[in-house]
Amino acid sequence: DAKTTQPTSMDCAEGRAANLPCNHSTISGNEYVYWYRQIHSQGPQYIIHGLKNNETNEMASLIITEDRKSSTLILPHATLRDTAVYYCIVRVAGSTDSWGKLQFGAGTQVVVTP
Amino acid sequence: DAGVTQSPTHLIKTRGQQVTLRCSPKSGHDTVSWYQQALGQGPQFIFQYYEEEERQRGNFPDRFSGHQFPNYSSELNVNALLLGDSALYLCASSLVHGGTLHFGNGTRLTVT
Repeated sequence: DAKTTQPTSMDCAEGRAANLPCNHSTISGNEYVYWYRQIHSQGPQYIIHGLKNNETNEMASLIITEDRKSSTLILPHATLRDTAVYYCIVRVAGSTDSWGKLQFGAGTQVVVTP
Repeated sequence: DAGVTQSPTHLIKTRGQQVTLRCSPKSGHDTVSWYQQALGQGPQFIFQYYEEEERQRGNFPDRFSGHQFPNYSSELNVNALLLGDSALYLCASSLVHGGTLHFGNGTRLTVT
């Protein structure tokens, strides 16, 4: 699976949008971009994923560049409860024996301040 | 609908001992994966179980072994514990044919 590069940390004001960048310049055509977050003392939580089109759900939006070499996770209205480590992961879809394998990096520590 | 549950939540062991951690997958899921997360680092994949067999393994020594039961629950066993095995151990479940990976809140293992 391709590796990803994320900033180590970023701050965000409560109520403002948080834009989290991720570089995945070696991504292959059959690899998806996944985002998870991990709130302190909890397990990672799925946020969103996409292949090439932009995606939106109740938690966030995912913007993937046309060349697919980078993406941005957008939390539209950050709250204090969004303080967490955010992980950007790329993975191949459809591999039965390795579906449970995710390659986590160090992630981005996001701190939302009042 | 219960999510992924792990037990115990915390555990303290002495170097050289053996430990067993347990995981119940989310209802309807048939695949269980285990991860080790050292302090300040991202989770590292240990192995994945499906149909009671180890299907994929990460870069971990044979001291780490597992088992999956017919009801899809799973155990992680670590023998000859080292101080470096101190970590948060996470269990994740999914459907083998795709879908989101769901994580439990982990077992915090401390080796003294």
